[in-house]
Amino acid sequence: DTGVSQNPRHKITKRGQNVTFRCDPISEHNRLYWYRQTLGQGPEFLTYFQNEAQLEKSRLLSDRFSAERPKGSFSTLEIQRTEQGDSAMYLCASNEGLALSNEQFFGPGTRLTVL
Amino acid sequence: AQSVTQLGSHVSVSEGALVLLRCNYSSSVPPYLFWYVQYPNQGLQLLLKYTSAATLVKGINGFEAEFKKSETSFHLTKPSAHMSDAAEYFCAVSDLVGSSNTGKLIFGQGTTLQVKP
Repeated sequence: DTGVSQNPRHKITKRGQNVTFRCDPISEHNRLYWYRQTLGQGPEFLTYFQNEAQLEKSRLLSDRFSAERPKGSFSTLEIQRTEQGDSAMYLCASNEGLALSNEQFFGPGTRLTVL
Repeated sequence: AQSVTQLGSHVSVSEGALVLLRCNYSSSVPPYLFWYVQYPNQGLQLLLKYTSAATLVKGINGFEAEFKKSETSFHLTKPSAHMSDAAEYFCAVSDLVGSSNTGKLIFGQGTTLQVKP
C-alpha cells in the first residue's frame, strides 16, 4: 500500500484558466475528503465522498469548483476560471469509514499558484 | 457547532526541553480529537487520537496528549524535544454534529514548533 497520492504536486496557472487535480486514495477506502489549506491556516473541509456519491459540499466550494469520484476509486477536483484567491494547498484524505473516529490518511497535497 | 482553538501560533523550545502545544475544543457532544503533524511540503500525519477510551493517549514519536473534559482541552506534550520534531502541528475534532455525519475534520489554525539546538 503506497498511501494516498495526489497529482500534480505543484500547479502554476494564470487567472481565468481551468485546472484539475487528481487524488488516488488508499485501496478500498470508501470515504474520500478534499480540504483546502491556505498559508498559516489549518485545512478547511471542501467536500466528501462515500464511494462514488458526493454527500457533502462546503459553502467554500463555489460553483466554479466541481469534484467527482467515478466508480468510487480516484477523485478529481476541478476549478474553473481560477482566481488569485484560489491559491492554496489542496489536500485529499481517505479512510475506511467504519467509524467516525477512524484516522484520515492524507496525501502530500497539490499546491496551486494562480498568477 | 464544533470548533478547535490552538493557543500560540509559534512555540520555540530548546532541544531536550519539554514540548507543550495547547488545544482547546468546543463540542456539544463527546468529541473525537486528533493531533496531526505536517512537515514542509508534505501531507498530514496522525500523531494520536482520542476516541473516548483512555483520557491519556500515547502516540508516535514519544508524543502524548491528555483529554480533560472539565477544561475542554487536549494538549500535546513530549518530555524531550528533538530537532526532528520541528514542524507544524494541528489539533482537529471530528464533526459529529453536522447534518450529514461525514466525520469531516475541523482543524485549528496550527502551531509551528521550532526546536533550537
